[in-house]
This record gives sequence, structure tokens and C-alpha cells, in this order.
Amino acid sequence: DQQVKQNSPSLSVQEGRISILNCDYTNSMFDYFLWYKKYPAEGPTFLISISSIKDKNEDGRFTVFLNKSAKHLSLHIVPSQPGDSAVYFCAASGINNNDMRFGAGTRLTVKP
Amino acid sequence: EAGVTQFPSHSVIEKGQTVTLRCDPISGHDNLYWYRRVMGKEIKFLLHFVKESKQDESGMPNNRFLAERTGGTYSTLKVQPAELEDSGVYFCASSQGLAGGQEQFFGPGTRLTVL
Repeated sequence: DQQVKQNSPSLSVQEGRISILNCDYTNSMFDYFLWYKKYPAEGPTFLISISSIKDKNEDGRFTVFLNKSAKHLSLHIVPSQPGDSAVYFCAASGINNNDMRFGAGTRLTVKP
Repeated sequence: EAGVTQFPSHSVIEKGQTVTLRCDPISGHDNLYWYRRVMGKEIKFLLHFVKESKQDESGMPNNRFLAERTGGTYSTLKVQPAELEDSGVYFCASSQGLAGGQEQFFGPGTRLTVL
């Protein structure tokens, strides 16, 4: 049973525009949500996270929004750059347990 | 500081053979995780070590998979005998603390192909 879902396998945006990546989850017991970025032939690297007590967290060009009632979160990248082209994974974990559950990933392509 | 390393980077074996994957976590990280990604699908949790103890192995597919972390340092994941559906990329990750939301540092993965 997949508890974290990323329904868009791919997204293409123009350089300088906004990229919005979406993620839905089913388990209301999740307390932390994280985004990881993955380049080919490399492992995922941490990008940004948000606690369930917040609805927004911002770090430079990256902002994560959390809507607990809808069990939905999104990652906004503004402005998008060609170097942002990668696969983005949404992940979730509990408060006392760092075992993460991941989505299937969204491949972002930023065109120059 | 060295990151998480995994060996080998690629392995191609025939159905029925045995393969052992190795992971060296970041020094000082007590928590070590194994994940697997089958092509195009989610990164699936397999198990979690705290030092040498298995904290959670609920994601291990079946008894053909055996993970060990002797001495609480590096870990091995053995698949015996391998089946076609075991193909995928196996990631190892480590973290310092146990609390939720902590960043996990991933290795580059081992791509396993079972023919």
C-alpha cells in the first residue's frame, strides 16, 4: 500500500518560470515531510522539509506548502533553473521514527 | 568528510545466484537504512538498523533477503537465491539521530540486475 503518491511522473517548465511539484499522502500519522532531489547515477539528496505543525517552509528559491486537511503538499521552485532538472521525491516520516516512505518521483526538466 | 558509500555500483547475476551488497555509512551515524527502487516506482523502505540492532525490518520482501550490521559499522544485504523481481537499485542511507524528519544521507546505490 503506497502511502505517499506523486501522480505526475514528469514536468517540463521554461527557465525562469515557477515549477510546482505535488505530493499526496494517506497516513495522517506522518509528522514530517521531506523533498529529495536525485540526479542520474547518484543517490537522493535532501532539499527541504516541513513539520506537520507548519503550513509553509521556505529556503531560497524552494518553498514547501503543506495542506494537512487535504493531505497534500507541494514544492515550489522560483525561478526555475536548468540545473534544477532532476527527479524529485516526496517523503514522509513519523515523529519518533525516521523510517521514510517515498513517492515514485517526478522528473523535472527545466528548458533554457 | 566521506559520504555514504556502496559497493558494488552494478551487479548482474543469474536467477538463483547469491549477491551481497555492502554499505558504509557516514562515520558516527548510528542509523542505517536500506531502500530499494524498482524502475519508475517509489523508493521503498526495506529496513533500519540502530547500531547493530534491527530497529524495523518490516519492509524486507521475504526470507531470501538477509541484512547484517556487525559491530554497528558497515552493513551488508544478501539476496539468496536471487529472483527476477529482485532487480532494481538498492540504496543505503544513514542518519545521526532517530527522531523523525532528520535528513538521511544516501549512497549512490547499487544497481542489481537479475537475468
